Amino acid sequence: DQQVKQNSPSLSVQEGRISILNCDYTNSMFDYFLWYKKYPAEGPTFLISISSIKDKNEDGRFTVFLNKSAKHLSLHIVPSQPGDSAVYFCAASAYQGGSEKLVFGKGTKLTVNP
Amino acid sequence: GAVVSQHPSWVICKSGTSVKIECRSLDFQATTMFWYRQFPKQSLMLMATSNEGSKATYEQGVEKDKFLINHASLTLSTLTVTSAHPEDSSFYICSGSGRRGGEQYFGPGTRLTVT
Repeated sequence: DQQVKQNSPSLSVQEGRISILNCDYTNSMFDYFLWYKKYPAEGPTFLISISSIKDKNEDGRFTVFLNKSAKHLSLHIVPSQPGDSAVYFCAASAYQGGSEKLVFGKGTKLTVNP
Repeated sequence: GAVVSQHPSWVICKSGTSVKIECRSLDFQATTMFWYRQFPKQSLMLMATSNEGSKATYEQGVEKDKFLINHASLTLSTLTVTSAHPEDSSFYICSGSGRRGGEQYFGPGTRLTVT
C-alpha cells in the first residue's frame, strides 16, 4: 500500500511559467512533508519542507502548500527555469519506533522547456 | 548546507563476495542515518534506520543478515552487502539527520553491480 503518491510521472512546462507538482498521502501520522530534487545517479537534494501545523511555506521561487483535510500537498515553482528540470520526490515523515522515517513517492519528472 | 559523502561511488563485484559502502556526514553529527535502495524509475525504498551506537532497525522484507549496518560514530555508517548476488545490483543511497524536523541530507549514492 503506497502511503505517498505522486500520480503524475512527468510534467512539462515552458520557461517562466508556473510548475505545480502534486502529492497525496494516506497516513495521518505524518507530521512533516518534504520535497527533494534528484538528478540521475545522484542523491536527492532537499528543497523545502512544511510542518503539518502549517498550510504554506515559501522559499524563493519554491512554495509548498499543505491541505491536511484532503491529505494533499503541492510544490509550486515560479518562475520555472530550465535548470529546474529534474525528478522531484515528495516525502512524508513520521516518528516511529524511536526514530524518524521518510516515505517517498515515486517522483515526478519535471521538464522545463526554454 | 549539510554534506554527506559516500564511498565508493560505484563498485562492481563478483557474485558471492561482500561489499562495504561507507556513508559519512562531513560537517554535522548525524544522530540517525538511513539507508535506501533505488531501482530504475522507482522511488527510494528505505532499507534500515540506524542510531549511533545501537543496532539498526530494518524495514520489513530486508534481510538483516545480508545487509549489515554499522553506525559506530556520529559521522560514519557502513552498509555491507554480504554474499552479493546479481539481484542485489542497485543504487544505494544513505542519508543523515541531526535533528527532528524531517530534513535528511543525502549522500550521492553508490551504484553496485554484481556480476
